[in-house]
Amino acid sequence: NAGVTQTPKFQVLKTGQSMTLQCAQDMNHEYMSWYRQDPGMGLRLIHYSVGAGITDQGEVPNGYNVSRSTTEDFPLRLLSAAPSQTSVYFCASSYARGNTGELFFGEGSRLTVL
Amino acid sequence: AQSVTQLDSHVSVSEGTPVLLRCNYSSSYSPSLFWYVQHPNKGLQLLLKYTSAATLVKGINGFEAEFKKSETSFHLTKPSAHMSDAAEYFCVVSDPSDYKLSFGAGTTVTVRA
Repeated sequence: NAGVTQTPKFQVLKTGQSMTLQCAQDMNHEYMSWYRQDPGMGLRLIHYSVGAGITDQGEVPNGYNVSRSTTEDFPLRLLSAAPSQTSVYFCASSYARGNTGELFFGEGSRLTVL
Repeated sequence: AQSVTQLDSHVSVSEGTPVLLRCNYSSSYSPSLFWYVQHPNKGLQLLLKYTSAATLVKGINGFEAEFKKSETSFHLTKPSAHMSDAAEYFCVVSDPSDYKLSFGAGTTVTVRA
């Protein structure tokens, strides 16, 4: 059972470039989410989805887009990368809406924007 | 709205001694509370959770936490630290009406041999 898989694990971008962080889960979880982790700030929610075809904004959505065409996949798109988006990104999923708190996390994608 | 404060950004203990990680929360409702652990270059893993059942919650790897409503606290403890406990720990709060979790800033635990 692979759990939550994120790709790539590392990425370096130049300012203005675009890219997509991939996230896939094989646990048939309805709820999926993207967080960014910055030193001393914990994790902050970027976008989330409560099921295929349904997405919503989290705490820090600016500069990011998401879509949810299948239950398994929840890609995060950076349309025009900025140095402020240098961070570690985590995808997480849950069998229920996040208020149960039992999230399953991927191992993270480390992004540097020059 | 809910929030969580982890009172220590860094805790250093000797192997075999107790560990205490402090967490205070703020919530308008009866919250659900969690502790997650993150080992270096890994994702977060659930240690334990409180969801209005017993106030003393036991988790994995010998950790436990006590929910104290009067003090709005949810401190994490372990009687005897092991080298493998070196990691970052996050306290998390969730209101039952809101499926967006609030994470604390994290506490880094160092274990000395």
